[in-house]
Amino acid sequence: AQSVAQPEDQVNVAEGNPLTVKCTYSVSGNPYLFWYVQYPNRGLQFLLKYITGDNLVKGSYGFEAEFNKSQTSFHLKKPSALVSDSALYFCAVRGGNNRLAFGKGNQVVVIP
Amino acid sequence: EAGVVQSPRYKIIEKKQPVAFWCNPISGHNTLYWYRQNLGQGPELLIRYENEEAVDDSQLPKDRFSAERLKGVDSTLKIQPAELGDSAVYLCASSFADRTTEAFFGQGTRLTVV
Repeated sequence: AQSVAQPEDQVNVAEGNPLTVKCTYSVSGNPYLFWYVQYPNRGLQFLLKYITGDNLVKGSYGFEAEFNKSQTSFHLKKPSALVSDSALYFCAVRGGNNRLAFGKGNQVVVIP
Repeated sequence: EAGVVQSPRYKIIEKKQPVAFWCNPISGHNTLYWYRQNLGQGPELLIRYENEEAVDDSQLPKDRFSAERLKGVDSTLKIQPAELGDSAVYLCASSFADRTTEAFFGQGTRLTVV
């Protein structure tokens, strides 16, 4: 069965600084990896995905993520954080059984 | 294009009462998911449909939970009877069957059992 680990409960970053949200995964076969963001009282919004090819993928709102097969990681990054980026971020993996499994999430707080 | 639509947005019921949630997926999406999200946690899969067939329901508590997806479009998730521990946000999502595609989520139904 596939699983995702998001080791940090909360990530605090000053506005304008780089933002990194960590994710490691475990899956049989080729991993299909996704990042979602959730604002209060809202559903999850898709940010980006890795399927194959270039290890650096770019997504919505200036976010990007780097796939590292040897470290089984898929960290989310943004070069310059905005206060509006404060939200809950979820990493997800889909494996051979097509089940989409989510991590517990990371609360990102961008400090003005 | 309309996204995934769920109703109701909020529901408060007394324990032991039944409750039902409804989901209308994005047109053309043949895969439909029901997730439960507890406060401060990530979504946990309850059931996944491919068209009208439930292909992954191993995490659905079948003693009190049931779901259906008639005609492979809309879906209903039911709890009978509800327990205090069922208080959570119930999320519906849909996608194409290709596992490289992302799932799109509705806004969820926040259930409070008192």
